[in-house]
Amino acid sequence: DAGITQSPRHKVTETGTPVTLRCHQTENHRYMYWYRQDPGHGLRLIHYSYGVKDTDKGEVSDGYSVSRSKTEDFLLTLESATSSQTSVYFCAISGALSGPPDTQYFGPGTRLTVL
Amino acid sequence: QKEVEQNSGPLSVPEGAIASLNCTYSDRGSQSFFWYRQYSGKSPELIMSIYSNGDKEDGRFTAQLNKASQYVSLLIRDSQPSDSATYLCAVRADNYGQNFVFGPGTRLSVLP
Repeated sequence: DAGITQSPRHKVTETGTPVTLRCHQTENHRYMYWYRQDPGHGLRLIHYSYGVKDTDKGEVSDGYSVSRSKTEDFLLTLESATSSQTSVYFCAISGALSGPPDTQYFGPGTRLTVL
Repeated sequence: QKEVEQNSGPLSVPEGAIASLNCTYSDRGSQSFFWYRQYSGKSPELIMSIYSNGDKEDGRFTAQLNKASQYVSLLIRDSQPSDSATYLCAVRADNYGQNFVFGPGTRLSVLP
């Protein structure tokens, strides 16, 4: 997984509770991404970061916020979880100093269930 | 709305045959194209990237890009049961941004 970890790997929570997912990389890649994957929709970009404290919205950003205070960590927060946010969440990184800069490497994923 | 389309499958081929996976995209300005493989319950892993019109070969895999037709394909020669997975096509939609758009994936089944 190219030095990418996600935590937790599984989480069950209730509607209305806040949830934070963490992505940690040891590769010193510049860019970090959060995707969600749902049947029939493939991977959809939620937010991405192009540097510390620099983030931008993706296709499905409503209901999600992100923060990146260190190069290696990218946090995804659901302020008030809803059942529609039940999904598998993948973190990805890109921007290696060697090799194609836009090659993405994915973390192992977090399965989130909102009851 | 930038879109990437793939036939969801399942595409079934016998072992040893050529599997052909297709992808079309809507943003004519797209410049970077990727094929990822995803086994059930696992994360996507990059197979190939392609940036120029024509063919690019890597082992049993060949990616083909036709920007005029907004079409990218992946051929898998001598298909093996271990190739059974979902194949995701991805396009980088902005030349100077990091907005990647993925297709829904095509499920490939290679029958022994």
